[in-house]
Amino acid sequence: EAQVTQNPRYLITVTGKKLTVTCSQNMNHEYMSWYRQDPGLGLRQIYYSMNVEVTDKGDVPEGYKVSRKEKRNFPLILESPSPNQTSLYFCASSPPPHGTDTQYFGPGTRLTVL
Amino acid sequence: AQSVTQPDIHITVSEGASLELRCNYSYGATPYLFWYVQSPGQGLQLLLKYFSGDTLVQGIKGFEAEFKRSQSSFNLRKPSVHWSDAAEYFCAGNFGNEKLTFGTGTRLTIIP
Repeated sequence: EAQVTQNPRYLITVTGKKLTVTCSQNMNHEYMSWYRQDPGLGLRQIYYSMNVEVTDKGDVPEGYKVSRKEKRNFPLILESPSPNQTSLYFCASSPPPHGTDTQYFGPGTRLTVL
Repeated sequence: AQSVTQPDIHITVSEGASLELRCNYSYGATPYLFWYVQSPGQGLQLLLKYFSGDTLVQGIKGFEAEFKRSQSSFNLRKPSVHWSDAAEYFCAGNFGNEKLTFGTGTRLTIIP
């Protein structure tokens, strides 16, 4: 089954404790992206990647890092989480042309930073 | 600046009634436009998309949307809603780059 998976689905952590949210897709898509969803703000893009070793900032990249060492994986890293990063996070992948066609979303990761 | 606007934060309709969700965009050309649905606790699923051509687009689950260039709009419609349509709906646009810009969403409540 074609899908995007994220882990963990739920995470409660404390300020400053580094964490990684994993994202994996099995559709051989080159394009992958991370979004955060906050009430009243819709989805905002954090980072995106057009291929292995190619990443770029989205609209709200501050406080986040990503890496793309393999085509299928695109982890999101919070090196020093803060309470304002409490949010619902979605990973997505897309077939070419990069980012302009349908994006396939993972189930989401709900992060709470205390 | 390019943007997508969904004017209605929350809409309530009766089961069996018709539905129209509004979406407007700001862009100097015709963007690629999408409607996604997010059911409670779920990720986003594509309902339909518009790239070019016929301005009335059919999607899944009985939804359709009409692109109107003169109004910079891409409104989503359904002739008769079902209780299972209760969800949050997002309009999104691609403005000639590698990014998807989302509206703030419209939450749909269905009353029996």
